[in-house]
Amino acid sequence: DQQVKQNSPSLSVQEGRISILNCDYTNSMFDYFLWYKKYPAEGPTFLISISSIKDKNEDGRFTVFLNKSAKHLSLHIVPSQPGDSAVYFCAARGNAGNMLTFGGGTRLMVKP
Amino acid sequence: GAVVSQHPSRVICKSGTSVKIECRSLDFQATTMFWYRQFPKQSLMLMATSNEGSKATYEQGVEKDKFLINHASLTLSTLTVTSAHPEDSSFYICSAWTGQGYNEQFFGPGTRLTVL
Repeated sequence: DQQVKQNSPSLSVQEGRISILNCDYTNSMFDYFLWYKKYPAEGPTFLISISSIKDKNEDGRFTVFLNKSAKHLSLHIVPSQPGDSAVYFCAARGNAGNMLTFGGGTRLMVKP
Repeated sequence: GAVVSQHPSRVICKSGTSVKIECRSLDFQATTMFWYRQFPKQSLMLMATSNEGSKATYEQGVEKDKFLINHASLTLSTLTVTSAHPEDSSFYICSAWTGQGYNEQFFGPGTRLTVL
């Protein structure tokens, strides 16, 4: 049973527009959420995170929103740039240990 | 950010042989290291968690006798795929955690294993 789901395997956006990547989770014990960016044949790199006590965290062009009641989070990238083209994983952490549970990933393609 | 290296980056081996993958934290000490596996177009699946000086904790469904993990020091963990078979072909990624803070888990670049 997938505890973290990214229902859109791919997303195509025009350069300069907003990219919205979604993530849903089922485990109410998750208390911290992270977004990672991954290029082919490379390890994931940390992008942005949010604690369950917040509903929004912003870092430059990247904003993560958390709707705890809906068990849903989203990553907004605005404006999108061609260099943002990559696979984005959301990950969740429970309150026991430092284990991450990853979603299936969404491949973002930003067209010039 | 901190740097985690993996060696080799790519390995091709014959079925039945064993392959060792190294994961090193280059500029920090890692209390815990994690090993993940990624199949094509799929997510990262946690295989095991290793703490320096103690036995690794394996996730359900991961054969500990097949995937041997050694975390001999605070900067080095190794994953040995024993008697590899074609179905073990995958992308293996390690991550290292400093033990401080939720964001302080850094990923290696991954190792592509192909078993012929």
